[in-house]
Amino acid sequence: GEDVEQSLFLSVREGDSSVINCTYTDSSSTYLYWYKQEPGAGLQLLTYIFSNMDMKQDQRLTVLLNKKDKHLSLRIADTQTGDSAIYFCAESEYNFNKFYFGSGTKLNVKP
Amino acid sequence: DTAVSQTPKYLVTQMGNDKSIKCEQNLGHDTMYWYKQDSKKFLKIMFSYNNKELIINETVPNRFSPKSPDKAHLNLHINSLELGDSAVYFCASSQEPPAGNNEQFFGPGTRLTVL
Repeated sequence: GEDVEQSLFLSVREGDSSVINCTYTDSSSTYLYWYKQEPGAGLQLLTYIFSNMDMKQDQRLTVLLNKKDKHLSLRIADTQTGDSAIYFCAESEYNFNKFYFGSGTKLNVKP
Repeated sequence: DTAVSQTPKYLVTQMGNDKSIKCEQNLGHDTMYWYKQDSKKFLKIMFSYNNKELIINETVPNRFSPKSPDKAHLNLHINSLELGDSAVYFCASSQEPPAGNNEQFFGPGTRLTVL
């Protein structure tokens, strides 16, 4: 359950879509989350998905979960400069009271 | 109204000293956490308390000792500080323990610099 991996950097132009990817190893993961960290601040929950779902949409955010490949993605439509931040995926495991964050992906949005 | 607050925001100290970081939440949550975020932004959970009981205790040197006097407070005491302890320490809280649908609310962080 400790291996939650993300690519470290992503750069996009304003108005494009951003896709941030995450892979995890533990099949007992129950909930998977996306958190956002703006510079100098703590993390804020953006969205989460329960492990029996494939997709969740929330305004500009779309979360896709591929359980077979243990792959989670966050798509941000119409990316804005205010979306520049570090995005962390995280997983929790129902039976073991565990919670793990990925390494974080720094999203840079160019005007 | 600050939901999760930490003091101090910045802490600069010499190697070998003992220091404490305090955390308070006014959300009425049952679970609190301490995380360490290193210079590469890797975020690692250190401890979690649920109703004042320790439920997560990751591999952390025993120089780090959490203390939860009540559900609203989780303090972190660090003995014999080392250079490698320099990091940003985040406190967080959630209504549920980590296993459930668990939105965590984070404090603003304490930047610890050990010289």
